[in-house]
Amino acid sequence: DTEVTQTPKHLVMGMTNKKSLKCEQHMGHRAMYWYKQKAKKPPELMFVYSYEKLSINESVPSRFSPECPNSSLLNLHLHALQPEDSALYLCASSQTAGSYNEQFFGPGTRLTVL
Amino acid sequence: QKEVEQNSGPLSVPEGAIASLNCTYSDRGSQSFFWYRQYSGKSPELIMFIYSNGDKEDGRFTAQLNKASQYVSLLIRDSQPSDSATYLCAVIYLGSSNTGKLIFGQGTTLQVKP
Repeated sequence: DTEVTQTPKHLVMGMTNKKSLKCEQHMGHRAMYWYKQKAKKPPELMFVYSYEKLSINESVPSRFSPECPNSSLLNLHLHALQPEDSALYLCASSQTAGSYNEQFFGPGTRLTVL
Repeated sequence: QKEVEQNSGPLSVPEGAIASLNCTYSDRGSQSFFWYRQYSGKSPELIMFIYSNGDKEDGRFTAQLNKASQYVSLLIRDSQPSDSATYLCAVIYLGSSNTGKLIFGQGTTLQVKP
């Protein structure tokens, strides 16, 4: 089973709202990732968690706040977003965060910021 | 700056033909290479990974790696209209914390015409 699940599928929020994106995997993977993908562009890495600890933050604005409550769950808390933050947000996981690891993506959350 | 380069296409092939997708990467130390398929509006799906020089075959797909030339390719035999998608080449770069960062090329759009 190589399934990563994400909720919600779609999210529309105003610039003053606070919302959260959720990601879950039950493959026993110890690395989890958040990516952002704009239309007709490749995914861009935002955060990497390795063994529930934040390992990489790609200089993402503080209005995006990641959280890894346990090895199966990954959240992305959103606050005071801008319309340019509208995108497909993808979660992925892999066995570990090293070099020889295949990353499996969830279906994504399509976010629209009004 | 770590770079992964792909021709954006579109690459158009007739049904039943071989589609050849190419990718080059900038970091000679890279060790892990991936091909993802992404249908419009969907998330990336891992279809091949390759870690050693040479060819790796899986069904109708063959990945080829030449580390000396820093070149990765994907061949799709007996192309079907259902193969029409964007194909993303991705390379893992290890950061200072030994955490892998997956860097994507811009993607090649493949159109298979019946």
